[in-house]
Amino acid sequence: DSGVTQTPKHLITATGQRVTLRCSPRSGDLSVYWYQQSLDQGLQFLIQYYNGEERAKGNILERFSAQQFPDLHSELNLSSLELGDSALYFCASSKDSDKNIQYFGAGTRLSVL
Amino acid sequence: AQTVTQSQPEMSVQEAETVTLSCTYDTSESDYYLFWYKQPPSRQMILVIRQEAYKQQNATENRFSVNFQKAAKSFSLKISDSQLGDAAMYFCAYLSGHTGTASKLTFGTGTRLQVTL
Repeated sequence: DSGVTQTPKHLITATGQRVTLRCSPRSGDLSVYWYQQSLDQGLQFLIQYYNGEERAKGNILERFSAQQFPDLHSELNLSSLELGDSALYFCASSKDSDKNIQYFGAGTRLSVL
Repeated sequence: AQTVTQSQPEMSVQEAETVTLSCTYDTSESDYYLFWYKQPPSRQMILVIRQEAYKQQNATENRFSVNFQKAAKSFSLKISDSQLGDAAMYFCAYLSGHTGTASKLTFGTGTRLQVTL
């Protein structure tokens, strides 16, 4: 158990809908990262938050947004869902914004039908 | 931009034998970290080992060790005394060590390791 909690484990929804994925980092970790794992794109970095502020953006679509709350949990919001958004979404956390080890949650599997 | 290449989509090893998974990377940076993550069928991403580029000594973690060749930009993972539980997808990953750059992991495409009896 990495200590990073992601909910829900599985999500099935329809095209055009909006979903929210939740992540609770390890105790004491200030940084949260979101990654997407899909068959065609592999594992890709989406976005990083550090202590409530956006720190870095990767290949994140405009339809996607994220935030980190004062209690350090984070949410990834996916809207206007398309079939191609079906993927495994991982959250990871690390102690601070420096180059520490990122510990991954178990992921949320999103299926868009 | 940094890239990570894993040229072996699949590998197979017999139980108790040794196997080496290959990884090469491309970067112009001098300060960085390299990782191997394991993804078993449960889909959980599990850290196997980490190497800091400024350290010449190869990292080891029990049965797992790396061969880090900085000049060649090569970072291979050796698994000794392979066990059935080692069967998984293995990802090589790069992390920039430069302050101010995004702390994002750049992953390779993965190598699926099968362990046979």
